[in-house]
Amino acid sequence: GDQVEQSPSALSLHEGTDSALRCNFTTTMRSVQWFRQNSRGSLISLFYLASGTKENGRLKSAFDSKERRYSTLHIRDAQLEDSGTYFCAAEAGGGSGNKLIFGTGTLLSVKP
Amino acid sequence: GGIITQTPKFLIGQEGQKLTLKCQQNFNHDTMYWYRQDSGKGLRLIYYSITENDLQKGDLSEGYDASREKKSSFSLTVTSAQKNEMAVFLCASKTGGSERLFFGHGTKLSVL
Repeated sequence: GDQVEQSPSALSLHEGTDSALRCNFTTTMRSVQWFRQNSRGSLISLFYLASGTKENGRLKSAFDSKERRYSTLHIRDAQLEDSGTYFCAAEAGGGSGNKLIFGTGTLLSVKP
Repeated sequence: GGIITQTPKFLIGQEGQKLTLKCQQNFNHDTMYWYRQDSGKGLRLIYYSITENDLQKGDLSEGYDASREKKSSFSLTVTSAQKNEMAVFLCASKTGGSERLFFGHGTKLSVL
């Protein structure tokens, strides 16, 4: 079936540094969303993209508008509160519309 | 704003038992989802439904049944609980078009 490959699986950053997470899709996707899951298990929506880029504070996400087969999440000036597990979720088009497949997650740890 | 309510929050079952998890949303969303998350892992799609009385299988549907009798509710049944099974089941919903996904707080299942 449709696959979402997320990398890296784990990431350790020092406060103030920048990094990027990436999701590759085995097929063309209609949209992508990014979530952060906190230590209590709550999933918080960060971005929803059907194309292009979106920015919110120190976070910026992009969805490849040409082939629609990858998305990135950039974290600028990482802070301790950014720690958590980040997931991307992609929605396929066509007959699989509305089927949302999640990546395996990136466990982010921000250290002082 | 709306809310997604999952009941129960914690569920303890016996091996072989049939167990039902419930999810209610008041967003008036068309599409609802059930995901399973094992400890330290990503979310795997069990079932989803694009409208009342519709059911679509995800990648993990074997061993589960689902029911969407009303637009606002989506229930999931574990047909025969497996011994030592432990996972969090997450319900989510969104509008029919490509839009943000909202999650409930989850039902944590333990099987003795």
